[in-house]
Amino acid sequence: DGGITQSPKYLFRKEGQNVTLSCEQNLNHDAMYWYRQDPGQGLRLIYYSQIVNDFQKGDIAEGYSVSREKKESFPLTVTSAQKNPTAFYLCASSIRGRRGYTFGSGTRLTVV
Amino acid sequence: DQQVKQNSPSLSVQEGRISILNCDYTNSMFDYFLWYKKYPAEGPTFLISISSIKDKNEDGRFTVFLNKSAKHLSLHIVPSQPGDSAVYFCAASAYGTSYGKLTFGQGTILTVHP
Repeated sequence: DGGITQSPKYLFRKEGQNVTLSCEQNLNHDAMYWYRQDPGQGLRLIYYSQIVNDFQKGDIAEGYSVSREKKESFPLTVTSAQKNPTAFYLCASSIRGRRGYTFGSGTRLTVV
Repeated sequence: DQQVKQNSPSLSVQEGRISILNCDYTNSMFDYFLWYKKYPAEGPTFLISISSIKDKNEDGRFTVFLNKSAKHLSLHIVPSQPGDSAVYFCAASAYGTSYGKLTFGQGTILTVHP
């Protein structure tokens, strides 16, 4: 079955550490996105990529980094510079010419 | 600047009655709107969409209405069922974004009581 896989589902990080969240899709979608969900704030765009080796900052990119070396993969690194990293992170993908996303099941990151 | 707003954080409805979820937008370039449903600890799933050339779209128990002059859309669920209890996100896409980058509202928590 085609879909988007995010791993791990739960992640704990100590303050000052970088951590990388995985996102893999086998839908042959061109574009991939990272969103963050916080209570009462909806989904906020962190980074997005429309083609391999290219990506753009979203609304809240500070403290995050991404790479897009393969069409299928769009990992997100939460760096120690991110002031409030505890959140639910969602990866999504879309195909050119079609509106709307397919979402992964999310990763809950907790800083301890 | 919140371009898509869902001003009701929560809504509580009795089973069998109508649920109406509202969404307002400010960007005139938005021409395609979607509703997503999200359960806790899961990713959102697509529910229904509407293009700005229409003012209504129906899919079973779900109907979305679009009022372009008021920059307002609403999602009607009739009849509501306990399994509809979830967070509902309104999203919008602007003309010219070929990959359809979405802007989301804050979400509305719907609770349907048996």
